[in-house]
Amino acid sequence: DTGVSQNPRHKITKRGQNVTFRCDPISEHNRLYWYRQTLGQGPEFLTYFQNEAQLEKSRLLSDRFSAERPKGSFSTLEIQRTEQGDSAMYLCASSSGGTTYNEQFFGPGTRLTVL
Amino acid sequence: DAKTTQPTSMDCAEGRAANLPCNHSTISGNEYVYWYRQIHSQGPQYIIHGLKNNETNEMASLIITEDRKSSTLILPHATLRDTAVYYCIVRVANSGNTPLVFGKGTRLSVIA
Repeated sequence: DTGVSQNPRHKITKRGQNVTFRCDPISEHNRLYWYRQTLGQGPEFLTYFQNEAQLEKSRLLSDRFSAERPKGSFSTLEIQRTEQGDSAMYLCASSSGGTTYNEQFFGPGTRLTVL
Repeated sequence: DAKTTQPTSMDCAEGRAANLPCNHSTISGNEYVYWYRQIHSQGPQYIIHGLKNNETNEMASLIITEDRKSSTLILPHATLRDTAVYYCIVRVANSGNTPLVFGKGTRLSVIA
């Protein structure tokens, strides 16, 4: 399967713990996005990378959230001191570069439950 | 990006055409209309996009009104596997690959 992959698919944690999610984009896609989706809502943008550079961060990305893409390939999203409000589906997407539109390919998501 | 308005939910009989409307009355001249869908427990999937001409691909057809203030996504022969949430998104052309802005979408239920 050469699509976007995310691990783990499900994560249950206790409030206050740290969690880290991984996203492997489609090979050679230089743009990588993170979105968050809560029940009944559409996905909301968190941050995105072009290669290893983090180009934009949403106001939703509080200080407890950090994302990296160290070698311009896979990316990690870490949430420190998790809160119950962090419970959501975390989606990763990737696309090829360029100035015209290139569709974003989404992974299956990581569902986080904070108890 | 301009905002869009979609019905919350729709039903469609299997084998019939599903017509999903979207209003984007404040769309600008350089903004495209995009459609994505999200099947339960999966990430969103790109369907189609267009500027002002009608578009068709293997998944669907997109009809954009002449004044570009609304559009309709057509699934010509809906199947049970088309049950999903459909998102209509308006965004600036040549904006590179800036993030998508999703609304709540339309929940389409295809009924046998």
